[in-house]
Amino acid sequence: GAGVSQSPSNKVTEKGKDVELRCDPISGHTALYWYRQSLGQGLEFLIYFQGNSAPDKSGLPSDRFSAERTGGSVSTLTIQRTQQEDSAVYLCASSSPTGRSPSTDTQYFGPGTRLTVL
Amino acid sequence: EDKVVQSPLSLVVHEGDTVTLNCSYEVTNFRSLLWYKQEKKAPTFLFMLTSSGIEKKSGRLSSILDKKELSSILNITATQTGDSAIYLCAAFTGGGNKLTFGTGTQLKVEL
Repeated sequence: GAGVSQSPSNKVTEKGKDVELRCDPISGHTALYWYRQSLGQGLEFLIYFQGNSAPDKSGLPSDRFSAERTGGSVSTLTIQRTQQEDSAVYLCASSSPTGRSPSTDTQYFGPGTRLTVL
Repeated sequence: EDKVVQSPLSLVVHEGDTVTLNCSYEVTNFRSLLWYKQEKKAPTFLFMLTSSGIEKKSGRLSSILDKKELSSILNITATQTGDSAIYLCAAFTGGGNKLTFGTGTQLKVEL
């Protein structure tokens, strides 16, 4: 596709329910990132994928959060037993490795999923 | 803990004004600094800075990195209402896989 896409765009759920957020990166981009942005906060790094593996999961806030990526493309972020503090916009980004350090690769962001936990 | 701080938190200016947004960072193993513009949900990329003292320009926007002062500025000249957005600064750290973001500067440009 032309850009990173995410679904759903909005999700309202009840506390305690599980949710799945989906990210479709730009075709050919092997690196994929998940972030979240809570109200009044900056973007918070959650997890990074290179291909299907996640070398850096350091940002996942608790064991209720997990993510997977299959086929080196689509990724899903799953939040189990959602809590009200999980309410945020969840952003996905992808980048195309140039063979140099990942820090030289521009990340392109999707439109995000706004999650509201009642 | 890696930290990126932006100032001011918010700013209101009139069309035609010039603004300077500030970003400072305290991170381990700094790699590069990025600026993003966020209007709705998705940030859009503006600049990536890796070398100190070299200005990057794109139209009315420009940015420069000062590695000695651990800071960067983003300048916008002749502001327009379409420049109203949150401007995010982020630092690539560690192995270069992780971006640490500041909380952003909310810019509002009024007629």
